[in-house]
Amino acid sequence: DTAVSQTPKYLVTQMGNDKSIKCEQNLGHDTMYWYKQDSKKFLKIMFSYNNKELIINETVPNRFSPKSPDKAHLNLHINSLELGDSAVYFCASSLDRGRLDTQYFGPGTRLTVL
Amino acid sequence: GENVEQHPSTLSVQEGDSAVIKCTYSDSASNYFPWYKQELGKGPQLIIDIRSNVGEKKDQRIAVTLNKTAKHFSLHITETQPEDSAVYFCAATKYSGAGSYQLTFGKGTKLSVIP
Repeated sequence: DTAVSQTPKYLVTQMGNDKSIKCEQNLGHDTMYWYKQDSKKFLKIMFSYNNKELIINETVPNRFSPKSPDKAHLNLHINSLELGDSAVYFCASSLDRGRLDTQYFGPGTRLTVL
Repeated sequence: GENVEQHPSTLSVQEGDSAVIKCTYSDSASNYFPWYKQELGKGPQLIIDIRSNVGEKKDQRIAVTLNKTAKHFSLHITETQPEDSAVYFCAATKYSGAGSYQLTFGKGTKLSVIP
């Protein structure tokens, strides 16, 4: 009965590689998010999609490209990985994009770039 | 834009004592303030939230207070237990355009409850 799931949980790769992280939610929510948590635990939003449409795009290098095949899935593809991309990436979802909507987080994907 | 300050960054309490974490926000238009608990190796989980039309909300040992005039809100945990040890994040909403809102998080408080 997992609400928000991510794969893989751990990802170790070399600099310059391209990798993807997948996210799925079974809550019937319309809005999904990607967050980055750095080594100091700071959580910062990267992207948000509402019903497959990009609605939030923070200052993120264009090596990061989110893709939403349907409103239950939001994947994150990263090109030409750099050392600074090492972090934990969290997917989240909420009922809608409104001011009062609770966000539910996935378990995270720890990305290590060597 | 919204800016959320959270204090303290670390907090140690004896089991059974109370713990208080405080946050301030900058955008007076914010009106939703959730608190998340993150255990080691897991994603943040919502523990309580408060909307701007109330000043206090309580759920068993956890309570949140909100002072909209002063733009600050606090998390209170009473009768702390070792399983309360985690990183706690406060957050506030920020309008991001096109009818959408996003959460701005504080930098987190690492709470350690000493048995």
